[in-house]
Amino acid sequence: DIVMTQSPEFLAVSLGERATINCKSSQSVLYNSNNKNYLAWYQQKPGQPPKLLIYWASTRESGVPDRFSGSGSGTDFTLTISSLQAEDAAVYYCQQYYSSPMYTFGQGTKLEIK
Amino acid sequence: QVQLQQSGPGLVRPSETLSLTCVVSSGSINGYYWSWMRQSPGKTLEWIGYVHYTGKTNYNPSLKGRVTTSVDMSKNQLSLILTSVTAADTAVYYCARETLRGGCFDYWGQGLLVTVSS
Repeated sequence: DIVMTQSPEFLAVSLGERATINCKSSQSVLYNSNNKNYLAWYQQKPGQPPKLLIYWASTRESGVPDRFSGSGSGTDFTLTISSLQAEDAAVYYCQQYYSSPMYTFGQGTKLEIK
Repeated sequence: QVQLQQSGPGLVRPSETLSLTCVVSSGSINGYYWSWMRQSPGKTLEWIGYVHYTGKTNYNPSLKGRVTTSVDMSKNQLSLILTSVTAADTAVYYCARETLRGGCFDYWGQGLLVTVSS
C-alpha cells in the first residue's frame, strides 16, 4: 500500500494568515503517461463527511474558494490556504488514487484558528 | 445536487453481521463507481471497497473476505455487508461517489456510527 504521511498533525494559524499543510507519499503518485499526480485534498468538519477540495494535486473542485491551492509532484505535496478564514478550521486529509482502487489517506492535519 | 442517505443499525453484536444501505437521490447510480469507507474514532479514512453500477466489485484485502457490496438499480440503492464483526470494526461508515475523473470522491453520505459491542 502507498502510505501517506501528513505534517504537521496540528496547526494553529491566525485569521488572515497563510496555512500550509504537507503530504508525502511512500512512492510517486505521478503517472508519466499523462503527467498527472493522483492526489486529492479534503476538508472535514466535526460531524460531517469529507469535502473534496483539490484533485490532480492542484485543480480546485467547483465551488471551492480560490484561497485554497494545491501544489507538488511525485511524492511531495502541499495544501495552502492563502488567507485563513474562521470557517477553514477543520481537519484536512490528502488521498492518493494512483494505486486504484487501493486508495489511502493521510492521517489528517487539524487546523485551528490562533 | 446528488444526495446520499445512509441507514442501518448503530449497534451490532460481536461476531454478527453489519448491514448498511445508501440511497442515492437527485442523481443516478448509472455510470459511476460507488465506494464505502470508514473512519475509526480519531483516525483516518479507510477504503473498504467499491461497487460499479454494472455490479463489478473490488475490496480492500485487509478485510479478508468479510465484505460484500452490491447495487440495486431499481431502488437507486447501494448496500454494504460486513460479517464476523469485532470491536475493531467500530467506526463511522460512509458511502461515496467516485468522480468520473476517477479515484477521488465528490459526494458523500452523511456517515453512520456503527458500534460493535455486546
